Amino acid sequence: EVQLVESGGGLVQPGGSLRLSCAASGFTFTNHYMDWVRQAPGKGLEWVARTTNKPNAYTTEYAASVRGRFTVSRDDSKSSLSLQMNSLKTEDTAVYYCARDTRTALDVWGQGTMVTVSS
Amino acid sequence: QSALTQPPSASGSPGQSVTISCTGTTSDIGGYNYVSWYQQHPGKAPKLMIYEVTERPSGVPDRFSGSKSGNTASLTVSGLQAEDEADYYCISYAGGNKFVFGPGTKVTVL
Repeated sequence: EVQLVESGGGLVQPGGSLRLSCAASGFTFTNHYMDWVRQAPGKGLEWVARTTNKPNAYTTEYAASVRGRFTVSRDDSKSSLSLQMNSLKTEDTAVYYCARDTRTALDVWGQGTMVTVSS
Repeated sequence: QSALTQPPSASGSPGQSVTISCTGTTSDIGGYNYVSWYQQHPGKAPKLMIYEVTERPSGVPDRFSGSKSGNTASLTVSGLQAEDEADYYCISYAGGNKFVFGPGTKVTVL
């Protein structure tokens, strides 16, 4: 079964850091681009970041709202995706989803992990 | 503020059809045939319903169909069923390794 499982969410103070992880199984992780998408409480989906695969030099791209603060990375040997979040703001409060990227759509999603930024 | 525009709500009675629009620009929807649609029930992860404008993933009922004209894409749900009540989001590839999202449309089955 193709599956993505996020972890690492929690409560953090403004200005703090948090690292999210996404464990992939049931497919050849190394072949795929991967993305992070978030959803603030009661709001819509917002694309956060993307990483390509090895043949495409693991290129990364970020939404303007997180560029310079968030870093997406992957460990193909562990079928794992990460999102390092620094200088967190209250507006970063959201459920964070990892998603498998077919280059034209996001075809598999995890269940999400909640990040709350509050003092 | 979302890059794509969707109506906030749409509704229909069981058995009827409902169509949701998603409007972008020549830099996203109009420039690529890479529009996808997602269904999200409350408290659940989004689910891919349509990709590459018209394609349905395995397991998605053929009641769901997609189309595009110029800078506007559409999702039509025919033969509405109670379980179709959900939020629907459109996403388009926008070049430069980026996706742009719509704000979502809440579909209510009357």
